[in-house]
Amino acid sequence: AQTVTQSQPEMSVQEAETVTLSCTYDTSESNYYLFWYKQPPSRQMILVIRQEAYKQQNATENRFSVNFQKAAKSFSLKISDSQLGDTAMYFCAFMKLRNNDMRFGAGTRLTVKP
Amino acid sequence: DADVTQTPRNRITKTGKRIMLECSQTKGHDRMYWYRQDPGLGLRLIYYSFDVKDINKGEISDGYSVSRQAQAKFSLSLESAIPNQTALYFCATSDPNDTEAFFGQGTRLTVV
Repeated sequence: AQTVTQSQPEMSVQEAETVTLSCTYDTSESNYYLFWYKQPPSRQMILVIRQEAYKQQNATENRFSVNFQKAAKSFSLKISDSQLGDTAMYFCAFMKLRNNDMRFGAGTRLTVKP
Repeated sequence: DADVTQTPRNRITKTGKRIMLECSQTKGHDRMYWYRQDPGLGLRLIYYSFDVKDINKGEISDGYSVSRQAQAKFSLSLESAIPNQTALYFCATSDPNDTEAFFGQGTRLTVV
């Protein structure tokens, strides 16, 4: 079974600074997707960024980027120029290609301080 | 309108009652899912369905059942609710290329 571990239950960062959220996973699959989802207080699940395991290049979406280390099974999220609106719970998720089975980490609660 | 709609958004029910959570989607996707979210545990898969005739158990299906009434509708039932089923429940659907899941707004269920 796949497991996803987020070792930082809570983090905080000053507005405009950079923060990195950690995620590791365990799988025997060779092809899969990795995701970071944001859950603000509205509780909506919002896709932040995704990475395809067969692509070596790290995904980026504006201020959000990932550091994907396939051999180490690590998938960290870097948020640059943090904004107050980035305050949310962040979930790392793994999806097998074969059956869409998506597994989530326990989440990291990020607080951006003014 | 939201792509994935869950009803109700919030519900309080008593132990032993039967309750149904409903989900509908306008994405036209075949694949639909039910997850529950608990503090410190993230989201865990309860059931998933790849089409109307294909329903599968997830990690934590005990105490739950589902019905896929149509491509667009997937409901979750608690036959006899118990307090440890108090949680935030999410319905989701995934795109044909299996690269993204779209979530509903969540249903906060409290069993007293």
